[in-house]
Amino acid sequence: DTAVSQTPKYLVTQMGNDKSIKCEQNLGHDTMYWYKQDSKKFLKIMFSYNNKELIINETVPNRFSPKSPDKAHLNLHINSLELGDSAVYFCASSGRWARSGNTIYFGEGSWLTVV
Amino acid sequence: KNEVEQSPQNLTAQEGEFITINCSYSVGISALHWLQQHPGGGIVSLFMLSSGKKKHGRLIATINIQEKHSSLHITASHPRDSAVYICAPDKIIFGKGTRLHILP
Repeated sequence: DTAVSQTPKYLVTQMGNDKSIKCEQNLGHDTMYWYKQDSKKFLKIMFSYNNKELIINETVPNRFSPKSPDKAHLNLHINSLELGDSAVYFCASSGRWARSGNTIYFGEGSWLTVV
Repeated sequence: KNEVEQSPQNLTAQEGEFITINCSYSVGISALHWLQQHPGGGIVSLFMLSSGKKKHGRLIATINIQEKHSSLHITASHPRDSAVYICAPDKIIFGKGTRLHILP
C-alpha cells in the first residue's frame, strides 16, 4: 500500500485550462503539504494543512487553491494554467505539525507540463 | 543570504569513494532532514536528526545544532547512490540540493 499517493503522475495540458491533482495519505497523519519543484530541482513549499486547517500559505498565485475534505486528503486545483506552472508537484504528510520535527513522507510526484 | 547552504552543488566520484555533503543553515530548528531523490523519481526521507549521528547502512548523517551544520556521508559509494541529496532544516525551507554522480 502506497503511503502517500497522488494522481495523476503525468499531466500535459494547454494554457488556460483548469486542472486538479489529488493526494491521499493512509498513514493517519494530521499534516499534509504541497510542494513545487522547478526544473532546477529546487523544492518550495506551497501550502500546508493540519487537521483540515490551512496553516501555511506561501506566496502562491490565487490561481492555486488547495482543498482538504478530510485530513487524509489534500487536493490541489489550478485555474487558468500558465507555462510557468510546468513543474513537478509533490504532496507530502507528517504525523503532526512541527516545523522541523517529525519525518515527512512524500508522494511520487505529479509531472505537470503546460503547453 | 540563503537560509540553507549546501555544498558541493555537484559531485562526481568513482565507485567506492567516501562522499561528504555539507549543509549549513541559519534558522533555529529542533531537527534536520536529509532527503534523496533519484533521477525522475520521488523524494525519500533518509534521516531526521536532532543531535549527534545516525547511520543507515552505508549512509551516516551528523549534526551540530549549536553550529547549525550537518553532514551526510556515504561510505563505499556505489552507482545506485547517484541522486540529488537535499538538506531540509525544516519542512518549509530546503537546500538547493547536491547532485551526486557515482561512476562505475
